Amino acid sequence: SQQGEEDPQALSIQEGENATMNCSYKTSINNLQWYRQNSGRGLVHLILIRSNEREKHSGRLRVTLDTSKKSSSLLITASRAADTASYFCATDAGAAGNKLTFGGGTRVLVKP
Amino acid sequence: KAGVTQTPRYLIKTRGQQVTLSCSPISGHRSVSWYQQTPGQGLQFLFEYFSETQRNKGNFPGRFSGRQFSNSRSEMNVSTLELGDSALYLCASSFREDNEQFFGPGTRLTVL
Repeated sequence: SQQGEEDPQALSIQEGENATMNCSYKTSINNLQWYRQNSGRGLVHLILIRSNEREKHSGRLRVTLDTSKKSSSLLITASRAADTASYFCATDAGAAGNKLTFGGGTRVLVKP
Repeated sequence: KAGVTQTPRYLIKTRGQQVTLSCSPISGHRSVSWYQQTPGQGLQFLFEYFSETQRNKGNFPGRFSGRQFSNSRSEMNVSTLELGDSALYLCASSFREDNEQFFGPGTRLTVL
């Protein structure tokens, strides 16, 4: 079963615009991670935010986490055509070890 | 550092056969996890191995099994293949728990 739900399912923007996608989850978590996937290839890790953190930045990426609402958002600023991909949030809620539960993903199309 | 490698990249099998997929983690990573990705079910966790022991297991039938060797390389096996096993199988490695996971390019399995 999928713990996370992502919104929107698809997003189409012009190059240079910002893209925002949201992720909601159901249980308490240790951390939440965002990944990018291009055309059915492997997942690329973007950013990890721990349950005691509220915001994190990495280059053009900004992630927020609201544990009281069980939600997270990923903002990509000044988007580029190369940002076209599917973006997934994944939560790690296990008592031990690594076990990610993924959301359904947001398909982002950046038009040049 | 070399990334996570998976072999083979593509595989075509027929129903009833069995298949073994291989994953070599990033050097120094002792945790290896496996995920199945399908259009219908999305990304689902199969199992995780750490120091040759299965540490976490997802909700898959017993036809799906895995193991990890002393050099941290991992294999997963699917016996008595069904059409629904057609999927992209992704392997991920991590240095420790509660940490980012690094994914390989995946093995695309087609069951005819």
